[in-house]
Amino acid sequence: AQKVTQAQTEISVVEKEDVTLDCVYETRDTTYYLFWYKQPPSGELVFLIRRNSFDEQNEISGRYSWNFQKSTSSFNFTITASQVVDSAVYFCALSGPNYQLIWGAGTKLIIKP
Amino acid sequence: EAQVTQNPRYLITVTGKKLTVTCSQNMNHEYMSWYRQDPGLGLRQIYYSMNVEVTDKGDVPEGYKVSRKEKRNFPLILESPSPNQTSLYFCASSFGPHYGYTFGSGTRLTVV
Repeated sequence: AQKVTQAQTEISVVEKEDVTLDCVYETRDTTYYLFWYKQPPSGELVFLIRRNSFDEQNEISGRYSWNFQKSTSSFNFTITASQVVDSAVYFCALSGPNYQLIWGAGTKLIIKP
Repeated sequence: EAQVTQNPRYLITVTGKKLTVTCSQNMNHEYMSWYRQDPGLGLRQIYYSMNVEVTDKGDVPEGYKVSRKEKRNFPLILESPSPNQTSLYFCASSFGPHYGYTFGSGTRLTVV
């Protein structure tokens, strides 16, 4: 069965600290896609990144970086020099059967000034 | 601006009164989907559509209907709303199910 686990329910850090959000997934598919989404306090859902199973290169976008490791079935997300505006719930998701996404439960990130 | 437009943003209604939540996208996306988000239950898919006139059930389709008569529109219909359908609803679209979704702003529905 396919599954996405975000074990960290809530993380609280002080501004400018680096923080890593963990995502562990389970799938038997050889081809799959992984995603991260952000849901700020205003409530909208924002797509951050998609990674396919054949591309294990790390991705960096400004202060955001993603580390995909098939060997550990993980797709972790790091925010460097966190800012208050990074406060949000972050969801990891996995492409599943029947054209659906399997969503993690989300990690609530609180950045204190 | 590329976007998914959902209306209304907030809706309070009474049990049994039919309602429609509209969703429209201007990105020529083929794939559209409806989700509901509830505390402790996360995001659950209600229905999705791969293209015009093609719709299929997600995880929690009971009590909902959808239609996809045009590529840009994907309304969600609650024929007889009940209090357990009180939730935050999101419409999403993408070029396909394995692409990143663009979400609407959400509709907070309360059924009393």
